[in-house]
Amino acid sequence: EDQVTQSPEALRLQEGESSSLNCSYTVSGLRGLFWYRQDPGKGPEFLFTLYSAGEEKEKERLKATLTKKESFLHITAPKPEDSATYLCAVQEMEGGYNKLIFGAGTRLAVHP
Amino acid sequence: DTEVTQTPKHLVMGMTNKKSLKCEQHMGHRAMYWYKQKAKKPPELMFVYSYEKLSINESVPSRFSPECPNSSLLNLHLHALQPEDSALYLCASSQDPGWSNYGYTFGSGTRLTVV
Repeated sequence: EDQVTQSPEALRLQEGESSSLNCSYTVSGLRGLFWYRQDPGKGPEFLFTLYSAGEEKEKERLKATLTKKESFLHITAPKPEDSATYLCAVQEMEGGYNKLIFGAGTRLAVHP
Repeated sequence: DTEVTQTPKHLVMGMTNKKSLKCEQHMGHRAMYWYKQKAKKPPELMFVYSYEKLSINESVPSRFSPECPNSSLLNLHLHALQPEDSALYLCASSQDPGWSNYGYTFGSGTRLTVV
C-alpha cells in the first residue's frame, strides 16, 4: 500500500525566511503527487500536481519539485498569509478508480 | 462554476438522530468523494462514486450511507452515530474517476458534532 510521510510536522518561520517542506512516498507506480494548502476549518485547496521525476511547478512564492522518492515544497520569502497546513497526497489506483492518499501535513506558521 | 458546495456548514446531532450531508458540483466532474478529517489529521477516504455508482467503500460502518442521486449531487446519510464520529466531512470531485490531471476540488466541509 502507498505510504506518504511529511516533515517537519510543524514549522515556524519569520516573514521573509525561506524554507522547504518534504514529502516522501512509497508507491508501486506514481500516478501523480499533489500538494494542497488547508486553512483551519476549510477544505484543502489545490496547489500543484507533479507526475515525473525532475518536474517542477511554481505559483507565486511556492515551488514544488519531484524526485523518484520525494517531493519538496519550497517557500521563498514567505508572508504571514502563507500560514496554513500543507498537505501532500499521492494518487493511487484501486480497481480502476483513483483515490488520493494524504500525508499528515506540515503546519506552517509565518510570523511578521 | 468551479466550486464544490457543501451544506450544512455545521451540524450538531444526537446519537439517535438521522441527518444528511449534501454536496453539489456543476463542473461536469464524473467522480465524487467523501472524506473524513479529524482534528490535526489528514483527510481519510470514505467513499468514491464514479459515474454515479459506488466504486470504493473504505470499510466504512453502515451508520454512514452514501447516495448519488445524479451526476451533480452527493449525499451522506447519517444514523445512530457515535461521539467519535465527530469530524470535518469533506466532499471532493474530479474530472475522471480513472485519472486526474487537475487535482481534486474540495468543498469547505461540514463540521459534525455528535452529542
